[in-house]
Amino acid sequence: NAGVTQTPKFQVLKTGQSMTLQCAQDMNHNSMYWYRQDPGMGLRLIYYSASEGTTDKGEVPNGYNVSRLNKREFSLRLESAAPSQTSVYFCASRQMGLAGRGEQFFGPGTRLTVL
Amino acid sequence: QKEVEQDPGPLSVPEGAIVSLNCTYSNSAFQYFMWYRQYSRKGPELLMYTYSSGNKEDGRFTAQVDKSSKYISLFIRDSQPSDSATYLCAIGGTGANSKLTFGKGITLSVRP
Repeated sequence: NAGVTQTPKFQVLKTGQSMTLQCAQDMNHNSMYWYRQDPGMGLRLIYYSASEGTTDKGEVPNGYNVSRLNKREFSLRLESAAPSQTSVYFCASRQMGLAGRGEQFFGPGTRLTVL
Repeated sequence: QKEVEQDPGPLSVPEGAIVSLNCTYSNSAFQYFMWYRQYSRKGPELLMYTYSSGNKEDGRFTAQVDKSSKYISLFIRDSQPSDSATYLCAIGGTGANSKLTFGKGITLSVRP
């Protein structure tokens, strides 16, 4: 039982390059989330998917797109990376309702640097 | 007023001290209360979870929720250097689309 996994662990991009961050969970959770964490700013929600087939914007969605590929996988894409997107990105999953108590579990993070 | 406010820190204590970490929240609809621990360069790890007022104890850790005051606390007894980390409170509702709202975190350092 791996929990929430993320790839890659580290990435360096040049301004304007694109990339996709991958996330997968094996806990059969309905909801998945992408956050970024910056010093002094705490965790900020980028996008989330309450269930398979749905996605919604969070607090800081500009410059990002997401795809909920299936129940297990939720990817985050940067189409044209900017230095302001240098951050640590965390994926998380959560099960609400009768099947779960609402606890949220995080992946290990992706450290992204945009030059 | 922000939905969740957490004492900013940082906090430095000697080994063996009792540590009290606190958050306040504004939305009385919140029903789930969690504390996460995050070691340097790692992802947040769920430490304590509760959904009712009162105390919940797990080893050296006690989570306390006071819904009437909209105040939650995490107490660490006999603190150890291994407790040095950033602690984040997280609060959420019960709806299927509900999201957790996180405090900004407080960095704790336990001195040997």
